[in-house]
Amino acid sequence: DTGVSQDPRHKITKRGQNVTFRCDPISEHNRLYWYRQTLGQGPEFLTYFQNEAQLEKSRLLSDRFSAERPKGSFSTLEIQRTEQGDSAMYLCASSLASGGAGELFFGEGSRLTVL
Amino acid sequence: QQQVKQSPQSLIVQKGGISIINCAYENTAFDYFPWYQQFPGKGPALLIAIRPDVSEKKEGRFTISFNKSAKQFSLHIMDSQPGDSATYFCAASKSGSWGKLQFGAGTQVVVTP
Repeated sequence: DTGVSQDPRHKITKRGQNVTFRCDPISEHNRLYWYRQTLGQGPEFLTYFQNEAQLEKSRLLSDRFSAERPKGSFSTLEIQRTEQGDSAMYLCASSLASGGAGELFFGEGSRLTVL
Repeated sequence: QQQVKQSPQSLIVQKGGISIINCAYENTAFDYFPWYQQFPGKGPALLIAIRPDVSEKKEGRFTISFNKSAKQFSLHIMDSQPGDSATYFCAASKSGSWGKLQFGAGTQVVVTP
């Protein structure tokens, strides 16, 4: 088991371009989360899936952002018409759905720089 | 607005010393309070967590103290080691959506030899 993997690790793009990030969760985990972290701040929740269903989206997730988890395994996060304010680390995490609180396992993140 | 406030922003402690990080929250519906540790270039990793039915939880050199009436909780790192140098985040979430964490802004801890 290699943990949560994210690709690409770094992405530099020009304003207005579209970018897509991929997350492969731990194989038996049915919950998958996307967070965004800017420099010097804690991660901010964006959205989460249980299996293939997107159960919640933050108000931070503007219309330019879309996330999918088509077969309940890997997930993609697409940002359309990128803006400089989108520059951040995008973190993916996975967990088991259970009755009580458990551990979120984070990937190493995908760092986006918008020029 | 930030629902979890964390202090200090940074601290320097000598090897063998005690590191103390404090967090305060407003939302009384929060009932899960984890601490995450993050090294440069890595994602956060769970260190220790507490529920509000206990006032203290200890795991090795790490202790969470929880004060429900004051809506505050803190992390104590005993016998701090250079390998503990990292950024520490407190977080909170509500029952039913425990994975939707509200993180503090983080504390950068530097342990000097």
